[in-house]
Amino acid sequence: EDQVTQSPEALRLQEGESSSLNCSYTVSGLRGLFWYRQDPGKGPEFLFTLYSAGEEKEKERLKATLTKKESFLHITAPKPEDSATYLCAVQEGADGLTFGKGTHLIIQP
Amino acid sequence: EAGVAQSPRYKIIEKRQSVAFWCNPISGHATLYWYQQILGQGPKLLIQFQNNGVVDDSQLPKDRFSAERLKGVDSTLKIQPAKLEDSAVYLCASSLAGNTEAFFGQGTRLTVV
Repeated sequence: EDQVTQSPEALRLQEGESSSLNCSYTVSGLRGLFWYRQDPGKGPEFLFTLYSAGEEKEKERLKATLTKKESFLHITAPKPEDSATYLCAVQEGADGLTFGKGTHLIIQP
Repeated sequence: EAGVAQSPRYKIIEKRQSVAFWCNPISGHATLYWYQQILGQGPKLLIQFQNNGVVDDSQLPKDRFSAERLKGVDSTLKIQPAKLEDSAVYLCASSLAGNTEAFFGQGTRLTVV
């Protein structure tokens, strides 16, 4: 049973075209929900941690939100350099992270 | 501040051979993780250390995989003998404590032929 499901698997946008990535989760004792960015051939790069429903965090063109069942990563007016795979992960207690499969995002100039 | 260091970056071995990966975490980080990332998938936790003690190794295939963290700093992950399905990127990550964000190294890409 998947604990973390990300959608869509892949997304192609035009530069400046805003959109949202979804992460739905099914864990009982969520300690935190994490968003990472991964470029080809590199390790995941930390973006955000969200701890409770209703929380929002922003960084440049990215904004992450959290509800009791899902999280959204909103990307506003994206640029080609935002192209990457975006990974969502959940943590229960002090356990390690459980990751989704990621959303492969391509921003075309 | 230096990030998580891993070596080697790439390794190609034949099945049934052995291989070892090394990780140096961010200075002061008590928690260290090893993840396996198969192409097209998210990282999967193999083992978690708190200082030099194992916190979680429930997903580590213990018949062939082993890991240690000497003196609570560097860590090595070993596979012996390797199988074709072990081809993946092996990522090391560290965090200040078990309940804070983890920072990842660049990974070691293993190809088993």
